[in-house]
This record gives sequence, C-alpha cells and structure tokens, in this order.
Amino acid sequence: EAQVTQNPRYLITVTGKKLTVTCSQNMNHEYMSWYRQDPGLGLRQIYYSMNVEVTDKGDVPEGYKVSRKEKRNFPLILESPSPNQTSLYFCASSSPGQGADTQYFGPGTRLTVL
Amino acid sequence: SQQGEEDPQALSIQEGENATMNCSYKTSINNLQWYRQNSGRGLVHLILIRSNEREKHSGRLRVTLDTSKKSSSLLITASRAADTASYFCATVSGSARQLTFGSGTQLTVLP
Repeated sequence: EAQVTQNPRYLITVTGKKLTVTCSQNMNHEYMSWYRQDPGLGLRQIYYSMNVEVTDKGDVPEGYKVSRKEKRNFPLILESPSPNQTSLYFCASSSPGQGADTQYFGPGTRLTVL
Repeated sequence: SQQGEEDPQALSIQEGENATMNCSYKTSINNLQWYRQNSGRGLVHLILIRSNEREKHSGRLRVTLDTSKKSSSLLITASRAADTASYFCATVSGSARQLTFGSGTQLTVLP
C-alpha cells in the first residue's frame, strides 16, 4: 500500500531534550516536506527536500533541522525543543518530476513540549 | 507566509445542500489544489486545477479557478454528513514547487 508513515504519532517531551520525528514513504517520491499545523494558522511549511541531499527552508524553519540521506526517509530533528514548538506535524511527499504535484500526507505527529 | 485565504472560515449546512468554499491567493501560481482534513488527521488530496484551466470536476466536487481575480472556489454538491471536515486550498508556485496552504474552512454537514 502506498503510504507515508510517521513516528511517533504522539510525543510529550520537556524543553531542551533533543528529539527526532521520522518520516518514510514507499512511493519513490523525490519531493518530501514537513509542515506544522496550529489552530487558525493552517499548515506552514518547515523544510522541504527536492531529492536526496537537497534540502531547503520553508516558511518556519527556525528551531528545526532535517536530513535527506535516502530517498524514502526525511527525519525532522528538534535539537532543543521549546514550548512554542508544541504543534501537530505532518510529513508529505510527491513526485513533481512526473508532473504531479499532489502531495501525500502522513497521519501526523502530535508533539507537546513542556 | 500564507498564500491562500479561505472564505468562509466556518460553514454549517443541512445534508443534501450544496457547500461552496472560496479561496483567494496573492501571487501567480502553477496550480491550485484542494485538500480535506478530518479532525486531527492527515490531509487528503481532493482535486488539482492547473493555472491554464478554468473548471474541473471530480464526482460531487467542482472547482473553478479565476487567475485574473486570483481566486478559486470549491463546490460540493448534495453534501453528506461524512463530508464534515476542514477543507484547505493550497497553491503551488515557483520552480521549487512549494505548496502553500490557506487557513481552511471548517464544514459541518448536519444530518
């Protein structure tokens, strides 16, 4: 089944404790990205990657890091989480090279930083 | 930055009625997409309309695009209770093909 998976789905942590949210897709998509969703603000893009070893900042990259060492994986790293990073996070992938911009979303990771 | 702005923010209708949501955006686009999100879940792609298209249909969905007004509308006909969800428009622009979302319309369909 074609899908985007994220882990963990729920995470409660404390300020300053490094964490990684994993994202994996099995559709051989070149493009992957991370969004955060906050009430009243819609989805805002954090980082995106056009392909392996190619990443770029989205609209709200501060406090986040990403890496794209393999085509299927695109982990989101919070080196020193803070309470303002409490949010619902979504990973997505697509294959613009085939002319399709449709993004496939993961189920989301609800992060709470105390 | 938010590219699309949906209107209304919330819409409540009776089952069987049509629901219309509007989206306005600010810059030129490659295409515009509509997504649906059930509460707290991932987004599901509904329909994509390219910048050179004016109207597109998919089942009970009808999307229009007016690039001169930088606006789009999503019409859901004969709504069902299961259509209750948040609906987002998203625009794709530039060579990086970033997807920029609006803040969404919360649709409630009453049985």
